[in-house]
This record gives sequence, structure tokens and C-alpha cells, in this order.
Amino acid sequence: DAKTTQPNSMESNEEEPVHLPCNHSTISGTDYIHWYRQLPSQGPEYVIHGLTSNVNNRMASLAIAEDRKSSTLILHRATLRDAAVYYCILRSPDAGAGNMLTFGGGTRLMVKP
Amino acid sequence: DAGITQSPRHKVTETGTPVTLRCHQTENHRYMYWYRQDPGHGLRLIHYSYGVKDTDKGEVSDGYSVSRSKTEDFLLTLESATSSQTSVYFCAISESWTGGLTPTRPADTQYFGPGTRLTVL
Repeated sequence: DAKTTQPNSMESNEEEPVHLPCNHSTISGTDYIHWYRQLPSQGPEYVIHGLTSNVNNRMASLAIAEDRKSSTLILHRATLRDAAVYYCILRSPDAGAGNMLTFGGGTRLMVKP
Repeated sequence: DAGITQSPRHKVTETGTPVTLRCHQTENHRYMYWYRQDPGHGLRLIHYSYGVKDTDKGEVSDGYSVSRSKTEDFLLTLESATSSQTSVYFCAISESWTGGLTPTRPADTQYFGPGTRLTVL
């Protein structure tokens, strides 16, 4: 599987935008870019995904570089509840039934009041 | 939220004893997964199921077995627990394993349970 690289941690102030970067220089043409996050003491949860175009949903926005070698998860106004570990994951539609999520280290986002 | 429960939520046991963890879903999703999460390793897949009585190994399956006799239940068994199996265990479900083209979320989105914290002394 193609690998992703994320900063270990980031800090943000409450109510400010947060840009969480992810590098995936070996991404293949069919890999989707998924983001999950894990709040303290909870299981991971899906945030957003994309292939080539930028994407928006109620939780976040995903900006994908034109060459697809990097992407950025954007939280438009961070709240204390957004403090979590954010994982950038590549998913191939050709993967088999055991299509496990491969979690790297992720980025621990700390939000200051 | 997806209807996934795990039981027990916490368990302390001794080395050598058998332990069974249960994952129950109300979503009628076909695919179920067991992961473990340890500091420095992230989440790692133990076993998964792609249907009733259809299971397969993940990347860290040694010392674990699973069973799925009903769509809604996926059991993880440690036949003889060891201290190295102290971990947080997460169950996950998904409707499909393909990437999917749904605009809002992919068909293979995995939904996770709340986790079981297991301590083996």
C-alpha cells in the first residue's frame, strides 16, 4: 500500500481554521484519499474522502493537490471537540475483501481555548 | 451513529485464561473487522469476516480466533491470553469493501465500535 506522511502533532486556537497536511507521493491513479479521526477514548470515525477534486462536507473540507501527491484536511473553525488524532489513509478500490484500514501515526491535533 | 456495541468494555484477566470479546451490530452490514490498538503501532487488523461463517486472517492473527454464526455478531477469542495481548480492541463494520462512488461517503467506510480495553496480568 502507498504510504502517507503526516506531522506528529499540531496546535490550533479555538474558532480558527486548521490545515492538516498529508503527503502521499507514491499514490496510484486509482487510490482514494480518506481521512478518519479518533477522539480520545473512542474508535476512529470517518471524516471525508476524495479522489481528485476538492471535497466539502459538514465536518471538513479536503483539498487535493493537482499532482495528487499531497492533500490537506481543513477544519474551518476548530472547536475543543475537534481535538483528536487525524489519520490520512489511501484506499484502493481494487483491494480484496480484507480491505483493512492501514493507520499510520496520524496527527494529534490540540485545540486551545 | 452506526449501531455497534462491544462487550465487555473493560476486562482484566490472567495469563493462560480464555477470553471472548463480542461485537454486535444492528446495521446488517456484511463485513466485520477486529483491530487492536497499541501505543506506537496504531490500529492493526487481527481478523475480518466477509459473511456468516466466512472469516480470514489479518496482519496480527496469531493467538486469536474468530467466529461469525450470525450476521450481527462477530466474536474474537483469545484461547490462552498472554500479556502481549493487553491492548484496546476495536470492532468495525462496513457495507462493502470496494471504493464505491457514492458522493457522500464511500461504500467501504468502516464504522467502529467503542472499544474493549483488555488487560492480561
